[in-house]
This record gives sequence, C-alpha cells and structure tokens, in this order.
Amino acid sequence: QQQVKQSPQSLIVQKGGIPIINCAYENTAFDYFPWYQQFPGKGPALLIAIRPDVSEKKEGRFTISFNKSAKQFSLHIMDSQPGDSATYFCAADGTASKLTFGTGTRLQVTL
Amino acid sequence: SAVISQKPSRDICQRGTSLTIQCQVDSQVTMMFWYRQQPGQSLTLIATANQGSEATYESGFVIDKFPISRPNLTFSTLTVSNMSPEDSSIYLCSVLQGNYGYTFGSGTRLTVV
Repeated sequence: QQQVKQSPQSLIVQKGGIPIINCAYENTAFDYFPWYQQFPGKGPALLIAIRPDVSEKKEGRFTISFNKSAKQFSLHIMDSQPGDSATYFCAADGTASKLTFGTGTRLQVTL
Repeated sequence: SAVISQKPSRDICQRGTSLTIQCQVDSQVTMMFWYRQQPGQSLTLIATANQGSEATYESGFVIDKFPISRPNLTFSTLTVSNMSPEDSSIYLCSVLQGNYGYTFGSGTRLTVV
C-alpha cells in the first residue's frame, strides 16, 4: 500500500518557471514531511522539511505548503534553474522513525 | 549533518555470490537504515540497524537474504546474499540525527549478471 502518493511523475519547465510537486499521505500519525533532491549517481539530499504545526516554510527558492486537513503537501521551486534538474522525492515520518517515500518526480528545467 | 561513506560505490557480481556493503559515518549515531532503490524507482526501506540489537526488517525483506551488522555507533554492513539479477539496485545507507533529519550516503550501485 502506497502511503505517500506523489505527482506528477515528470515535469518540464522553462528557466524561471515555478514547478510544483504535490504529495498526499494517508497516515495521520506522520508528523515530519521532508523533501529530497537526488541527482544521478548520488544519494538523496535533504532540501527542506516541515512539521504539521505550520502551513508554509521557505528556505531560499524552495517552499513547502502544507494542508493538514487535506493531508497534502507540496514543493514549489521559485525561479527554477537548469541546475535544479533532478529527481525530487517527498517523504513522511512519524513516531516509528521510518521514512516513507513518494514515487518521485523527475524535473527538467530547460533554458 | 553527518557525512556518510559507502563502499563499494558500484560493483558487478555473478549470480549466486554475495556482496557486503560498508557504511561508515563520521559521527556516532543511534539509528542507521538500509534502503534499496531499484532503477528509476523510489526508495524502499530494507531494515533499521541499531547498535546493540538485531536489525529490524521490513515486510518483504529477510535476514537470510540481507544480513546486517552494526558493531558500533559509526559503522554498519549490509550483505546481499545469493544474488540474482533481481537484486540489481542501488543500496543506500542512511542515519537519523535529531537536528538534521535523515542523511543518506551516495549509495552502492549493484549489477548482478
């Protein structure tokens, strides 16, 4: 059973655009929602994370929006650059200390 | 955050053989994890390895196939036993640190022929 659903599977935007990646979860015990960026041949790197007590968090060009009632959260990348081209994973964790990952979104930022 | 070194970074192995992957962390951590990432797919947790106790395996993964050692707070190994082509994946080590969340190594890319 997929506990974290992620969409879209792939995304192409032009430089300067704002790609948005969405995730939805089912388990109300989740209380930590990180986003990871993965380049080919590398392990996932933590981008930004949020907890359910806030609805939005910004770090640089990356913003997480969180809707607790809908059990959804999303990643926005402002002023996207070709160097942002990577695969992005949302994830969720709770008291069990076990990350559950979404299926991933392959982002391509074109010139 | 912790720096994680994994060895080997990649390997090509014959079916039926075993490979041991090492994970070295530059600081002491209680919780370590092993993940599998099949080509083009997401990450799936294999097991949680805490020092001083046996590893806890997720559904679909068994100790005979993926034995894990955790001899101290900075080191762990994962063995992929009796390999078949279906075991071809990237295997990743991860640690949990309270202030930094989960950190991942660069992974071991395994190809079984």
